[in-house]
Parts: sequence; structure tokens; C-alpha cells
Amino acid sequence: GAVVSQHPSWVICKSGTSVKIECRSLDFQATTMFWYRQFPKQSLMLMATSNEGSKATYEQGVEKDKFLINHASLTLSTLTVTSAHPEDSSFYICSASPPGLAGDETQYFGPGTRLLVL
Amino acid sequence: GESVGLHLPTLSVQEGDNSIINCAYSNSASDYFIWYKQESGKGPQFIIDIRSNMDKRQGQRVTVLLNKTVKHLSLQIAATQPGDSAVYFCAELNTGGFKTIFGAGTRLFVKA
Repeated sequence: GAVVSQHPSWVICKSGTSVKIECRSLDFQATTMFWYRQFPKQSLMLMATSNEGSKATYEQGVEKDKFLINHASLTLSTLTVTSAHPEDSSFYICSASPPGLAGDETQYFGPGTRLLVL
Repeated sequence: GESVGLHLPTLSVQEGDNSIINCAYSNSASDYFIWYKQESGKGPQFIIDIRSNMDKRQGQRVTVLLNKTVKHLSLQIAATQPGDSAVYFCAELNTGGFKTIFGAGTRLFVKA
């Protein structure tokens, strides 16, 4: 159980185009999902917290108009990189916490989406 | 500012030996810590967690130790195997919410 999927796993796009990445919780409902960004040989940096039915909470320095997050259902959150530029090339990872016993905050991560902007 | 960091960026061990990966954290208010394993091109995989009311927790071949006095966390892997080669991250969870802060990561190399 507690499987999180992402689609696509790989995407190459031209500069100036927009790219949508999907994050799905396959066997549980997630009112909250998280989006991370990871550059090569670096740690994961939290970009935003995606809240079902409400606006996402962005971390300082993350442009909300550039990284659009939509959490339309309890099993799906999407991240859209608008007007992508080469510096947006990165590994994007989502995570979610399945509901469970009180205090269970363990996050389960998706396999990641590698974005290359040419 | 608050941070979770690691003492060593890389660790190389012989197959069969025990591995110890260390982590320092600075937020004394954190009460939940997790170790993740990340293989190349994949998302992080949960290994083991520990709450601040514990000093030690054991899993299958892995043990996490927490020293709150010096804000130190360690991951011990027994009988390290080639499949253990990966980057290991410690993470700290703020008590006020579910925002996880990741450390810099340690790459573990297992020599056959």
C-alpha cells in the first residue's frame, strides 16, 4: 500500500512552453501532497504544499505564477511549469501522507519526473 | 536558520561491513525524524523513522539512534550489501505541520 505515482517520468520541452506533471496517490486519499525539486547531487527542496480544495502554500522564493499547483481531488495533484526555461530543468518529486493512526506523518514519494528544457 | 545536515558527503564500505551514516539537526523543537534512501533517478524511499521520545529504533538490518542532547541522528546498516548503495537523507519534521526538511544527503558506496 501507500503508492504514489507520477506522470510523466521524463519530459523534454522547448523553452517557453508549459509542462504539466501529475501526482497520484494510488491506494489512499491524500488531502495534502507536497512538491519537491531536486537538482543533481543536491537534496530535495520543498517547493509547495498542495491542499485539496484550496490554494497551495508556496515556500519562500518559489514563484506561484510560474509553478501552478492544482489539487483537484483527493488522489491527484498537478504541477504546471509555465513558460519553462532551461534553468527549470530539474527532477520534480511529489509526496503524500496516507491517513492513518494519529501522528503518522510518514510521507511516501513518487518516482519523480525529470524535466529537461531545451 | 534551521537546518538538517550531514557530517560526511560520501561513505565507502566493504560488502558485509556495517555502515553508519550521521546527521545533525538544529531545531530542538522537531519531534519526528526519518531516514530516506534514494537510488539514482528515483524518488526517496522510506527506511525508518523515530520520534523524539525514543533514543533507538530497530528495523530489518537498520537501526536509527537519536541523541537529543547533541541533536544528532544516525543510521546504522548491518551487513551492508551492494543493493544498499544509494544516497541517504535524514529528514526532520516540524511539529507545527507536515513540512519535511531534508538534509544534504550522504552517498553510500558498497564495495564488493
